[in-house]
Amino acid sequence: AQSVSQHNHHVILSEAASLELGCNYSYGGTVNLFWYVQYPGQHLQLLLKYFSGDPLVKGIKGFEAEFIKSKFSFNLRKPSVQWSDTAEYFCAVNARRDSNYQLIWGAGTKLIIKP
Amino acid sequence: DGGITQSPKYLFRKEGQNVTLSCEQNLNHDAMYWYRQDPGQGLRLIYYSQIVNDFQKGDIAEGYSVSREKKESFPLTVTSAQKNPTAFYLCASSTGGFLYEQYFGPGTRLTVT
Repeated sequence: AQSVSQHNHHVILSEAASLELGCNYSYGGTVNLFWYVQYPGQHLQLLLKYFSGDPLVKGIKGFEAEFIKSKFSFNLRKPSVQWSDTAEYFCAVNARRDSNYQLIWGAGTKLIIKP
Repeated sequence: DGGITQSPKYLFRKEGQNVTLSCEQNLNHDAMYWYRQDPGQGLRLIYYSQIVNDFQKGDIAEGYSVSREKKESFPLTVTSAQKNPTAFYLCASSTGGFLYEQYFGPGTRLTVT
């Protein structure tokens, strides 16, 4: 069955550190990939998405993600994090399940940035 | 101010009772979704609807029911047949299907004792 793995459930970094959150999926067909973020007290919102073309996609607030098809990965990166990046980050993959497409979600990574 | 509202924020019920969670959107979106979120797990799809008067089961539809009589409303009923109903429930909407960005509500935390 298709699945999405986010290997780190909790990440703690200091401000200005570089960030990379891992996301791997198991699905051999065409995929569309998403990162969503939930800031404390706010709704889940889209951070960035990949559909086709340049595998390096840029999102809001300086985030970017790289789709590596051979590794079934879509890791999220940010060169220098800020305290305001403290949030929970979810990777999701749009993949075929039975006869329909559906979003399959990772378990999320809680990121804490120490000021 | 456009968005999705879910009510109530917290809901408590006794075992054996059905309970209905509200989800309303004023974004004029065609598609609406219900997800369940449990600690340490990703969102799991319960039901989705791509158009009024039509809906499909997701991965964990057993013990749940929905209706989509109006474009802006997609209530979820947690029935007494749901074996483990205590969870955080999220409603979302999008302009189209799963390829489109989903907009989420604040969620309802249901506790059944």
